[in-house]
Amino acid sequence: DTEVTQTPKHLVMGMTNKKSLKCEQHMGHRAMYWYKQKAKKPPELMFVYSYEKLSINESVPSRFSPECPNSSLLNLHLHALQPEDSALYLCASSTPGGLRNQPQHFGDGTRLSIL
Amino acid sequence: ELKVEQNPLFLSMQEGKNYTIYCNYSTTSDRLYWYRQDPGKSLESLFVLLSNGAVKQEGRLMASLDTKARLSTLHITAAVHDLSATYFCAVDRAGANSKLTFGKGITLSVRP
Repeated sequence: DTEVTQTPKHLVMGMTNKKSLKCEQHMGHRAMYWYKQKAKKPPELMFVYSYEKLSINESVPSRFSPECPNSSLLNLHLHALQPEDSALYLCASSTPGGLRNQPQHFGDGTRLSIL
Repeated sequence: ELKVEQNPLFLSMQEGKNYTIYCNYSTTSDRLYWYRQDPGKSLESLFVLLSNGAVKQEGRLMASLDTKARLSTLHITAAVHDLSATYFCAVDRAGANSKLTFGKGITLSVRP
């Protein structure tokens, strides 16, 4: 069991659908992350939230929209995705940058398939 | 731009033998991490290395860091099948907006 919980575990959606991925942690971490991972590749950072504010956006297309409603929750809203967006989406949390002597903790991920 | 290189990218190991894998990075970094990923699964943290000369051991795995050479090694003692997985190293730099940069990963396969 991981301390970062992601739902759903699997998601299949059409290119015109709107869906959301959810991530929750109760470790008191104030930094949360979204990563995209394609098969046999390393995770690629998408977004970083620090103290509930967006601090890094790695030039991610606007069809991905992150939201951090509170310090425990992180959402990723999806709209009009493309087939190449099919991937494993990982959420992680940690203590914020300068204080971090601990690793990022990753959730189990959401496997997303775009039809 | 911070770059992280791992080698080899694939290693077939024989049970019971010792092996070492490597992680090089291009610029000064404050922290280096090793993660393990099983197929279709999430990333599991193995080690956090914070300073030059740091050495950490967990079971059959031992990680070390040489910040002057910008090199971390992961030594495997007496490989067993359970160690088959992909191992990523990642580095970051201090600061509120620091972020992890991952290597491509090393896939280890242990054969009888």
